[in-house]
Amino acid sequence: GDSVTQMEGPVTLSEEAFLTINCTYTATGYPSLFWYVQYPGEGLQLLLKATKADDKGSNKGFEATYRKETTSFHLEKGSVQVSDSAVYFCALSEKGAQKLVFGQGTRLTINP
Amino acid sequence: ETGVTQTPRHLVMGMTNKKSLKCEQHLGHNAMYWYKQSAKKPLELMFVYNFKEQTENNSVPSRFSPECPNSSHLFLHLHTLQPEDSALYLCASSQDLVGSNQPQHFGDGTRLSIL
Repeated sequence: GDSVTQMEGPVTLSEEAFLTINCTYTATGYPSLFWYVQYPGEGLQLLLKATKADDKGSNKGFEATYRKETTSFHLEKGSVQVSDSAVYFCALSEKGAQKLVFGQGTRLTINP
Repeated sequence: ETGVTQTPRHLVMGMTNKKSLKCEQHLGHNAMYWYKQSAKKPLELMFVYNFKEQTENNSVPSRFSPECPNSSHLFLHLHTLQPEDSALYLCASSQDLVGSNQPQHFGDGTRLSIL
């Protein structure tokens, strides 16, 4: 079945550091890929998405590129802020599917 | 404000109690979802409703009973829960089922603790 694997957390960085959170997936077809973010005490919010190979999703300084050849969708940000501290979830959905398949989440803490 | 409101935000109940979780979306969406989020486990999809009809039950125990009276409201009725049911329960909605690339909009969740 479909699955999503994210890098183990927690990840702790200093403010203005470069961020990468790895995400790889297994799918039978050509899924759409998503990154969601969960701030403390809140539900998940869509951060960005990509629906086909080589698409780049971007939002709030975060970027991720749909790499079909490596089945990856790594999340990057050039300069993180304390306000980026949250849990980040990579997810996929197959065309016609009824559900998102989520990774286990990566907790990110940014220190000032 | 995500447009999806869940109440209550926190709930403590004994194993013999009966309670209900409520979710309301103000986005005009057609699909609604219940998820369970436990510590150190991936998000678990519980139920999917599309146009008020249940389209997926992800092998959820019968002590969880969903109800969707209309496209804007979703309930999760709870009875005789177990301690391992303590978790954050998240409601989400989307314009159509997620396979059409529609993003899901999540509520802030109900933190449930079973004594």
